[in-house]
Amino acid sequence: DAGVTQSPTHLIKTRGQQVTLRCSPKSGHDTVSWYQQALGQGPQFIFQYYEEEERQRGNFPDRFSGHQFPNYSSELNVNALLLGDSALYLCASSVKETQYFGPGTRLLVL
Amino acid sequence: GQQLNQSPQSMFIQEGEDVSMNCTSSSIFNTWLWYKQDPGEGPVLLIALYKAGELTSNGRLTAQFGITRKDSFLNISASIPSDVGIYFCAAIYNQGGKLIFGQGTELSVKP
Repeated sequence: DAGVTQSPTHLIKTRGQQVTLRCSPKSGHDTVSWYQQALGQGPQFIFQYYEEEERQRGNFPDRFSGHQFPNYSSELNVNALLLGDSALYLCASSVKETQYFGPGTRLLVL
Repeated sequence: GQQLNQSPQSMFIQEGEDVSMNCTSSSIFNTWLWYKQDPGEGPVLLIALYKAGELTSNGRLTAQFGITRKDSFLNISASIPSDVGIYFCAAIYNQGGKLIFGQGTELSVKP
Protein backbone atom coordinates (compact mmCIF):
# COMPACT_ATOMS: atom_id res chain seq x y z
CA ASP A 1 0.00 0.00 0.00
CA ALA A 2 1.62 3.25 -1.13
CA GLY A 3 1.74 6.00 1.42
CA VAL A 4 1.20 9.68 0.79
CA THR A 5 3.24 10.86 -2.18
CA GLN A 6 4.21 14.41 -3.10
CA SER A 7 5.81 16.00 -6.14
CA PRO A 8 8.18 17.53 -6.86
CA THR A 9 10.65 16.80 -4.05
CA HIS A 10 12.53 20.07 -4.51
CA LEU A 11 11.75 23.31 -6.30
CA ILE A 12 13.55 26.61 -6.81
CA LYS A 13 11.56 29.70 -7.82
CA THR A 14 12.14 33.44 -7.90
CA ARG A 15 10.11 36.12 -6.17
CA GLY A 16 6.81 36.91 -7.89
CA GLN A 17 6.53 33.55 -9.60
CA GLN A 18 3.76 31.03 -9.07
CA VAL A 19 4.15 27.40 -7.95
CA THR A 20 1.96 24.28 -7.92
CA LEU A 21 2.64 21.38 -5.58
CA ARG A 22 0.93 18.01 -5.86
CA CYS A 23 -0.17 15.34 -3.41
CA SER A 24 -1.63 11.85 -3.71
CA PRO A 25 -3.25 10.51 -0.53
CA LYS A 26 -2.98 7.03 0.95
CA SER A 27 -5.37 4.53 -0.55
CA GLY A 28 -8.78 4.84 1.12
CA HIS A 29 -8.17 8.35 2.46
CA ASP A 30 -10.59 11.08 1.36
CA THR A 31 -9.23 14.12 3.18
CA VAL A 32 -6.08 16.06 2.36
CA SER A 33 -4.47 18.75 4.51
CA TRP A 34 -1.55 21.02 3.64
CA TYR A 35 1.06 22.38 6.05
CA GLN A 36 3.99 24.77 5.80
CA GLN A 37 7.06 24.01 7.90
CA ALA A 38 9.75 26.65 8.26
CA LEU A 39 13.22 25.55 9.35
CA GLY A 40 13.31 24.68 13.04
CA GLN A 41 9.55 25.04 13.50
CA GLY A 42 6.57 22.72 13.73
CA PRO A 43 4.23 22.43 10.74
CA GLN A 44 1.61 25.18 10.37
CA PHE A 45 -1.83 24.33 8.98
CA ILE A 46 -2.66 25.95 5.63
CA PHE A 47 -5.98 24.33 4.68
CA GLN A 48 -7.87 21.06 4.42
CA TYR A 49 -9.86 19.60 1.50
CA TYR A 50 -12.72 17.13 1.74
CA GLU A 51 -15.16 16.19 -1.02
CA GLU A 52 -13.39 18.65 -3.34
CA GLU A 53 -14.18 21.59 -1.05
CA GLU A 54 -11.97 23.61 1.29
CA ARG A 55 -13.26 22.57 4.71
CA GLN A 56 -11.03 24.66 6.96
CA ARG A 57 -8.31 27.24 6.48
CA GLY A 58 -5.44 28.41 8.65
CA ASN A 59 -3.99 31.89 8.91
CA PHE A 60 -2.53 32.11 5.40
CA PRO A 61 -3.19 34.80 2.76
CA ASP A 62 -5.28 34.29 -0.35
CA ARG A 63 -2.07 33.82 -2.36
CA PHE A 64 -2.31 30.24 -1.07
CA SER A 65 -5.04 28.28 -2.81
CA GLY A 66 -5.80 24.65 -3.42
CA HIS A 67 -7.84 22.10 -5.20
CA GLN A 68 -8.96 18.53 -4.63
CA PHE A 69 -9.78 16.23 -7.53
CA PRO A 70 -12.43 13.46 -7.69
CA ASN A 71 -9.70 10.84 -7.05
CA TYR A 72 -8.89 12.72 -3.77
CA SER A 73 -5.49 13.96 -4.97
CA SER A 74 -4.79 17.59 -4.30
CA GLU A 75 -2.79 20.60 -5.44
CA LEU A 76 -1.44 23.56 -3.50
CA ASN A 77 -0.91 26.76 -5.49
CA VAL A 78 1.05 29.75 -4.27
CA ASN A 79 0.98 32.99 -6.28
CA ALA A 80 3.30 36.00 -6.14
CA LEU A 81 5.98 34.11 -4.23
CA LEU A 82 7.83 35.89 -1.43
CA LEU A 83 11.22 35.01 0.05
CA GLY A 84 9.38 34.06 3.24
CA ASP A 85 7.48 31.33 1.41
CA SER A 86 10.66 29.23 1.40
CA ALA A 87 9.80 26.17 3.48
CA LEU A 88 9.01 22.47 3.48
CA TYR A 89 5.42 21.97 2.30
CA LEU A 90 3.78 18.89 3.72
CA CYS A 91 0.66 17.11 2.62
CA ALA A 92 -1.22 14.81 4.99
CA SER A 93 -4.09 12.47 4.23
CA SER A 94 -6.68 11.05 6.58
CA VAL A 95 -10.03 9.33 6.73
CA LYS A 96 -10.81 10.34 10.32
CA GLU A 97 -8.66 12.25 12.80
CA THR A 98 -5.31 10.55 12.25
CA GLN A 99 -3.21 12.27 9.61
CA TYR A 100 -0.38 10.59 7.69
CA PHE A 101 2.25 12.79 6.10
CA GLY A 102 4.08 12.65 2.82
CA PRO A 103 7.81 13.33 2.44
CA GLY A 104 7.22 16.99 1.59
CA THR A 105 8.28 19.41 -1.13
CA ARG A 106 11.20 21.69 -0.31
CA LEU A 107 10.54 25.11 -1.90
CA LEU A 108 13.29 27.70 -2.12
CA VAL A 109 12.36 31.21 -3.26
CA LEU A 110 15.26 33.38 -4.44
CA GLY B 1 -5.56 30.67 19.87
CA GLN B 2 -4.87 27.00 20.47
CA GLN B 3 -1.25 26.26 21.27
CA LEU B 4 0.79 23.27 22.43
CA ASN B 5 3.78 23.77 24.74
CA GLN B 6 6.25 20.95 24.24
CA SER B 7 9.22 20.27 26.51
CA PRO B 8 12.06 19.84 26.65
CA GLN B 9 13.25 21.60 23.48
CA SER B 10 16.25 19.30 23.22
CA MET B 11 17.76 16.31 24.99
CA PHE B 12 21.23 14.78 24.91
CA ILE B 13 21.27 11.28 26.35
CA GLN B 14 23.41 8.17 26.48
CA GLU B 15 22.39 5.06 24.55
CA GLY B 16 20.30 2.80 26.78
CA GLU B 17 18.76 5.62 28.82
CA ASP B 18 15.03 6.25 29.01
CA VAL B 19 13.52 9.48 27.61
CA SER B 20 10.42 11.41 28.55
CA MET B 21 8.85 14.41 26.81
CA ASN B 22 5.48 16.09 27.20
CA CYS B 23 3.00 18.55 25.75
CA THR B 24 0.56 20.78 27.58
CA SER B 25 -2.14 23.17 26.50
CA SER B 26 -4.78 25.43 27.98
CA SER B 27 -7.26 24.04 25.43
CA ILE B 28 -8.87 20.61 25.40
CA PHE B 29 -8.37 18.19 22.53
CA ASN B 30 -10.00 14.91 21.53
CA THR B 31 -7.06 13.31 19.75
CA TRP B 32 -3.33 13.43 20.53
CA LEU B 33 -0.70 12.24 18.06
CA TRP B 34 3.06 11.81 18.35
CA TYR B 35 5.29 12.06 15.27
CA LYS B 36 9.03 11.67 14.60
CA GLN B 37 10.69 13.69 11.86
CA ASP B 38 14.12 13.16 10.35
CA PRO B 39 15.87 16.06 8.58
CA GLY B 40 14.28 16.88 5.22
CA GLU B 41 11.57 14.23 5.63
CA GLY B 42 7.90 14.30 6.51
CA PRO B 43 6.71 13.47 10.04
CA VAL B 44 6.12 9.77 10.66
CA LEU B 45 3.27 8.78 12.96
CA LEU B 46 4.42 6.93 16.09
CA ILE B 47 1.35 6.73 18.33
CA ALA B 48 -2.26 7.96 18.14
CA LEU B 49 -4.41 8.48 21.26
CA TYR B 50 -8.18 8.89 21.07
CA LYS B 51 -9.53 8.74 24.65
CA ALA B 52 -8.71 10.68 27.81
CA GLY B 53 -6.58 8.51 30.09
CA GLU B 54 -5.58 6.15 27.26
CA LEU B 55 -2.11 4.61 27.56
CA THR B 56 -0.73 3.12 24.34
CA SER B 57 2.57 1.41 23.51
CA ASN B 58 4.40 0.88 20.23
CA GLY B 59 7.51 -1.20 20.90
CA ARG B 60 9.79 0.83 23.16
CA LEU B 61 7.49 3.86 22.92
CA THR B 62 4.66 4.58 25.34
CA ALA B 63 2.32 7.56 25.23
CA GLN B 64 -0.61 8.70 27.36
CA PHE B 65 -3.57 11.00 26.72
CA GLY B 66 -3.97 13.16 29.83
CA ILE B 67 -7.18 12.76 31.83
CA THR B 68 -7.93 16.50 31.54
CA ARG B 69 -7.54 16.24 27.72
CA LYS B 70 -5.06 19.11 27.92
CA ASP B 71 -1.80 17.18 27.92
CA SER B 72 0.09 14.11 26.72
CA PHE B 73 3.47 12.52 27.29
CA LEU B 74 5.76 10.23 25.30
CA ASN B 75 8.33 7.89 26.86
CA ILE B 76 11.06 6.04 25.00
CA SER B 77 12.74 3.21 26.87
CA ALA B 78 16.29 1.94 26.32
CA SER B 79 17.16 4.51 23.65
CA ILE B 80 19.24 3.52 20.63
CA PRO B 81 21.11 5.68 18.07
CA SER B 82 18.31 5.45 15.49
CA ASP B 83 15.97 7.23 17.94
CA VAL B 84 17.78 10.44 17.00
CA GLY B 85 15.44 12.99 15.42
CA ILE B 86 12.80 15.58 16.23
CA TYR B 87 9.68 14.45 18.04
CA PHE B 88 6.47 16.43 17.68
CA CYS B 89 3.26 16.23 19.63
CA ALA B 90 0.13 17.22 17.74
CA ALA B 91 -3.50 17.49 18.73
CA ILE B 92 -6.85 17.96 17.10
CA TYR B 93 -10.17 18.98 18.59
CA ASN B 94 -12.49 17.29 16.12
CA GLN B 95 -12.52 15.49 12.80
CA GLY B 96 -12.19 18.07 10.07
CA GLY B 97 -10.33 20.36 12.39
CA LYS B 98 -6.77 21.48 11.98
CA LEU B 99 -3.86 19.61 13.55
CA ILE B 100 -1.95 21.80 16.01
CA PHE B 101 1.75 20.99 16.53
CA GLY B 102 4.11 21.52 19.42
CA GLN B 103 7.51 23.13 18.87
CA GLY B 104 9.30 19.78 18.81
CA THR B 105 11.87 17.99 21.00
CA GLU B 106 15.23 17.33 19.37
CA LEU B 107 16.70 14.07 20.66
CA SER B 108 20.41 13.24 20.41
CA VAL B 109 21.68 9.82 21.50
CA LYS B 110 25.33 9.23 22.26
CA PRO B 111 26.51 5.66 21.56
